[in-house]
Parts: sequence; C-alpha cells; structure tokens
Amino acid sequence: AQKITQTQPGMFVQEKEAVTLDCTYDTSDPSYGLFWYKQPSSGEMIFLIYQGSYDQQNATEGRYSLNFQKARKSANLVISASQLGDSAMYFCAMSPRPGGSEKLVFGKGTKLTVNP
Amino acid sequence: GAVVSQHPSRVICKSGTSVKIECRSLDFQATTMFWYRQFPKKSLMLMATSNEGSKATYEQGVEKDKFLINHASLTLSTLTVTSAHPEDSSFYICSAARGVGQPQHFGDGTRLSIL
Repeated sequence: AQKITQTQPGMFVQEKEAVTLDCTYDTSDPSYGLFWYKQPSSGEMIFLIYQGSYDQQNATEGRYSLNFQKARKSANLVISASQLGDSAMYFCAMSPRPGGSEKLVFGKGTKLTVNP
Repeated sequence: GAVVSQHPSRVICKSGTSVKIECRSLDFQATTMFWYRQFPKKSLMLMATSNEGSKATYEQGVEKDKFLINHASLTLSTLTVTSAHPEDSSFYICSAARGVGQPQHFGDGTRLSIL
C-alpha cells in the first residue's frame, strides 16, 4: 500500500521568502508518480507540479520546484518568492504508476500562511 | 481554463433527499474519473473509480448503494448520494486525467449540507 506523510500541519513564511513543504512517501511499487496540489479556502484543487519516479531531474514549474530524493523517499515542495496568494492548504499525493491517470493517495496536508 | 467541471458547487437539502453531482471533462474524453470526499480540515479520501461503460470500483468501506456512480459517457460521470443524511454532509470532488501520463485535474468540488 502507498502512504504519504506530511509532518507539518502548518507553516508560516514572510512574503518574498522561500519555503519548503515536506513530504515523505512509502511504496513497494517500482515506479510511481508524485504530485503537489494547492487547495485555497474556496476548495478547488489546483495542480502544481509532478515528478515521475524515473525522472532524473527535479521538476520545476515557475516558482515551484520539487526536491526529489528517491533514496530518502522524499518529495519536498519548494516555493520561491512567496506571495500572499500562496496562502492555502498544500497536499502531496502519489499514484501507483507514473503520470497520474491512476487513483491518488493524499497526505494530510500543510496549511501555509504567507505573512506580509 | 477549467479542465474538469463539477456541478452543483453547493447543495443544501433536507434529510432523506437524493442528490446528484455531475462531473464533466471539458474538451477531452475521460474513460476513468475519480470521486473523492473531504471532511473539514482533512485530506481527500478516494471513494470510487468511475469507469465509462462499466461498474464503478468502490474503495473499502464505501457503500455502493449509498453512493451511486454512473459514467454514461466519455465526458460525464455522476455521483448520486441516495437518501442523504446529515452524516453525508461533506465536500465531494471529482477528478480526471486527460490521458495516460497526464496529471489529474479536479473539479471545483461540491459542498453538500444535509439538514
């Protein structure tokens, strides 16, 4: 079975600073996909970034980057130059195969608050 | 723009009512869609996998007779909460991937409140 662990219930960051949200995972699957989603208070789930288990390079999407350390089974999200609009819940998720067309297992989430 | 559309966004109804929630994939066909449930301040829990043209696959502990799923076309899946009771009040959200190797995109969710 797959499991996602997010150990930070809440994080605070000053505007314009960088922040790292932790995610560790556990799986027996030889290949898998890792995702980060943002959920504002309005409820929608916004896809941020994806990392495949066989990808050699860390994924980046604008201000978001994924620090993938396969040996440690971690997939931390780094947000650079935080903005007030980044305040939201952030969920790390995993799929049993690369790509995400399979069902996702989510972590408990981290609530990020960006302070002005 | 939106990739997956979910309707309605909010429902408030009396106990005993059945409620239907629609999930549509926009400009792509989705043979598989997923339905999740989220309690306040909690994570998303997968309820079922909706398969076009065949029966849905339910996760352990999810009552298939309570949560009816119909995936009648390649762009539409519906979740019907039958004879809803206050304990069914929750945030329900669907997702679909454009294709193999693509990330899932979510609808905006439906907040269901049963009085």
